[in-house]
Amino acid sequence: DIQMTQSPSSLSASVGDRVTITCRSSQRITNYLNWYQQKPGQAPILLIYGISTLQSGVPSRFSGSGSGTDFTLTISSLQPEDYATYYCQQGYNRPYTFGQGTKLEMK
Amino acid sequence: QVQLQPWGAGLLKPSETLSLTCGVSGGSFSGYFWTWLRQSPGKGLEWIGEINHRGSTNYNPSLESRVILSVDSSKNHFSLHLNSVTAADTAVYYCARNLPFSPYYFDSWGQGAPVTVSS
Repeated sequence: DIQMTQSPSSLSASVGDRVTITCRSSQRITNYLNWYQQKPGQAPILLIYGISTLQSGVPSRFSGSGSGTDFTLTISSLQPEDYATYYCQQGYNRPYTFGQGTKLEMK
Repeated sequence: QVQLQPWGAGLLKPSETLSLTCGVSGGSFSGYFWTWLRQSPGKGLEWIGEINHRGSTNYNPSLESRVILSVDSSKNHFSLHLNSVTAADTAVYYCARNLPFSPYYFDSWGQGAPVTVSS
């Protein structure tokens, strides 16, 4: 299985901050990298697919980048509704696998 | 806007069979893979398997010996059966839609169905 490792596991930030979350895969996954946001008690929602394509309705303050095995989710200016847990997921090989999550908390 | 709604028993005893069904409404049922995932504090988000409207399946090898996915395309339903459950199968179970082409992502999710396995 492809292992997905996120860092940091948790992050404290303030409204307006620029936030970066990193995801590393155990092997090259070309552009098969997707990001999700999950709030407590809710299902994950798709934010970004194919490294950098924003899902419809996702604010433009979210962006994704990277290549090979190293990928990044960036929130350019953190908003109150962005406090959540973020997950990366690889679609390169089955079984599809997720990172362990990065919990974004209020500073 | 497609909607997914899971239902099924939420409390099981060890060795019983977990059975969940997910109803799909508001969108096409064909042309996608319909997926089950689960989330537990210990193992995070885990992909269980997927099925299309024709019944073609793919399973996570870690669960394949205990899992059966089925589909009823006439009712736009798909189901998960996981046998011989243990406490390790306690989790929130999600049904989701998987786009059948790269980069293979889950664009619509149902609400979570909590399942507890306890004697």
